[in-house]
Amino acid sequence: DAGVIQSPRHEVTEMGQEVTLRCKPISGHDYLFWYRQTMMRGLELLIYFNNNVPIDDSGMPEDRFSAKMPNASFSTLKIQPSEPRDSAVYFCASSGTGGPSGANVLTFGAGSRLTVL
Amino acid sequence: QKEVEQDPGPLSVPEGAIVSLNCTYSNSAFQYFMWYRQYSRKGPELLMYTYSSGNKEDGRFTAQVDKSSKYISLFIRDSQPSDSATYLCAARSGGYQKVTFGTGTKLQVIP
Repeated sequence: DAGVIQSPRHEVTEMGQEVTLRCKPISGHDYLFWYRQTMMRGLELLIYFNNNVPIDDSGMPEDRFSAKMPNASFSTLKIQPSEPRDSAVYFCASSGTGGPSGANVLTFGAGSRLTVL
Repeated sequence: QKEVEQDPGPLSVPEGAIVSLNCTYSNSAFQYFMWYRQYSRKGPELLMYTYSSGNKEDGRFTAQVDKSSKYISLFIRDSQPSDSATYLCAARSGGYQKVTFGTGTKLQVIP
């Protein structure tokens, strides 16, 4: 398995533009998570899905952020309009529930580094 | 107050030293405790996990959890330059998939 695949790896955009980040989870994993990482706040959970259904979106900072998971192999995180304070590394992670440790093991993608000018 | 607190470091040690990394947490519902390692420009990867209180050993790494004091520790024996990374402690409650992370401690092992 190629692991969790995220794109783009780097994105530089101007304030006000729409940003779409993409994630392909590990096949067979039924949980998908979007995290944001900054120096000041560390890793923060934005939203997570179970079997493509959003379960907890309480970490989504505001209405400018939205996430979808149309099928088991694809998810998007969209920011519209983007602002400089959205600059961060956005990670997608997936996990399965098989076995005693399955639910604990988050497998992260390499991240999407977003810079909003 | 963050639910999981961690000293950001950086921590610099000579090769071969014993490293102690620590976290505290405030949520009594946390039952699963994890340590992730993150190399520069990479995603975090799971290093170890424990359930409830106790110790767990894996090679040069030992994880400890003391639920009475809400304290999480990771010990690295015979540290190597390849251990240089950011170490993130994490926790979650049973039956709920949200994993809460500390901000991470940056470790540098000097040859």
